[in-house]
Amino acid sequence: GQNIDQPTEMTATEGAIVQINCTYQTSGFNGLFWYQQHAGEAPTFLSYNVLDGLEEKGRFSSFLSRSKGYSYLLLKELQMKDSASYLCVTRGAGSYQLTFGKGTKLSVIP
Amino acid sequence: SQTIHQWPATLVQPVGSPLSLECTVEGTSNPNLYWYRQAAGRGLQLLFYSVGIGQISSEVPQNLSASRPQDRQFILSSKKLLLSDSGFYLCAWSRVSGTDTQYFGPGTRLTVL
Repeated sequence: GQNIDQPTEMTATEGAIVQINCTYQTSGFNGLFWYQQHAGEAPTFLSYNVLDGLEEKGRFSSFLSRSKGYSYLLLKELQMKDSASYLCVTRGAGSYQLTFGKGTKLSVIP
Repeated sequence: SQTIHQWPATLVQPVGSPLSLECTVEGTSNPNLYWYRQAAGRGLQLLFYSVGIGQISSEVPQNLSASRPQDRQFILSSKKLLLSDSGFYLCAWSRVSGTDTQYFGPGTRLTVL
């Protein structure tokens, strides 16, 4: 099975940088996703890592260390619209097997 | 481009009543399709997935069922709703190959009273 840990809540200031950490334990690992979910809405895909290292996409970057079972999502130049929950999601050996973390609720304040 | 639709957006149903939620995908062929439920304060839970017409796999035993009558149509049903069935129901699709990223529909918020 798979277990995912990420902080429940975080607060950061508009314009700042925030890092959301995620650790996972898994019996089979085949990639890690980050999704953004605004309150009352569906999750939207942000990033995917399957190899160690950093993937950068605009203001968002995601890092993966498979040996440490660790990932983080880095958000730069925070905007008020970035206030949302961020879900760390691992994929198991079968391509459909996604395990979702409970999400980190990020509040961006002026 | 691909789009995924779900309806209804919200639903309030009495305990013991039937349920039918529909999901359709446009712009792709032979997608993998998924039904998830998100309860308050919990992560998304996979309920069913389908790799083709008439092919349904269940992840969690429950009083829900799913059907895939057409390639891009996925239906979630129940004969008798329970209070515990309340939640946010999300349909998702993915390609069979590649990174298999799952893309979610807008969801249906179900309240069982």
